[in-house]
Amino acid sequence: QKEVEQNSGPLSVPEGAIASLNCTYSDRGSQSFFWYRQYSGKSPELIMSIYSNGDKEDGRFTAQLNKASQYVSLLIRDSQPSDSATYLCAVRGNYGQNFVFGPGTRLSVLP
Amino acid sequence: GAVVSQHPSRVICKSGTSVKIECRSLDFQATTMFWYRQFPKQSLMLMATSNEGSKATYEQGVEKDKFLINHASLTLSTLTVTSAHPEDSSFYICSANLGSGGSNQPQHFGDGTRLSIL
Repeated sequence: QKEVEQNSGPLSVPEGAIASLNCTYSDRGSQSFFWYRQYSGKSPELIMSIYSNGDKEDGRFTAQLNKASQYVSLLIRDSQPSDSATYLCAVRGNYGQNFVFGPGTRLSVLP
Repeated sequence: GAVVSQHPSRVICKSGTSVKIECRSLDFQATTMFWYRQFPKQSLMLMATSNEGSKATYEQGVEKDKFLINHASLTLSTLTVTSAHPEDSSFYICSANLGSGGSNQPQHFGDGTRLSIL
């Protein structure tokens, strides 16, 4: 059973702080990793993808991947109230097209 | 811009009605599309994988006779909720990969369909 785990939260951070979202996965053969943001009542939207160990930065977002530890994280710098949403971690294996989604972490950025 | 279009965005209908939801890939061909269901404050649940020109692959516990999936072309998959009942009320979302199998392309989601059965 391939699993992706996330802390369900809610994770509350003050405006301007760094929000750190974590995700672990069970399939050691996983190759592609994605972070999605989902606002209440809306469908998920892609924020970042990462495929290699290390950090990948895009604006205020940084994705971090450690395949040895089977761990992927998302850092949001200078958090804004508009960042308040549920963040979904998705993992894709080496074969096929199916993704495995984590349950999501609810982030609340307090003004 | 959007790469996956889903229609309708909202449906309200009486119990016993069948409801069809369309998912279209825009400007790309999707041999595989995915259908998810999400109940309030719960995580995404994959219902089935829609394969162009062949039968859909359903996840365990999803009734294939209840949720009919047709993927007749490379840009269109439809989900029909047959004889819908109030417990079928949920948020249904489709997605598609831009790339072919084995690529690193992410899934892109449609805007979702909120189904309410009275």
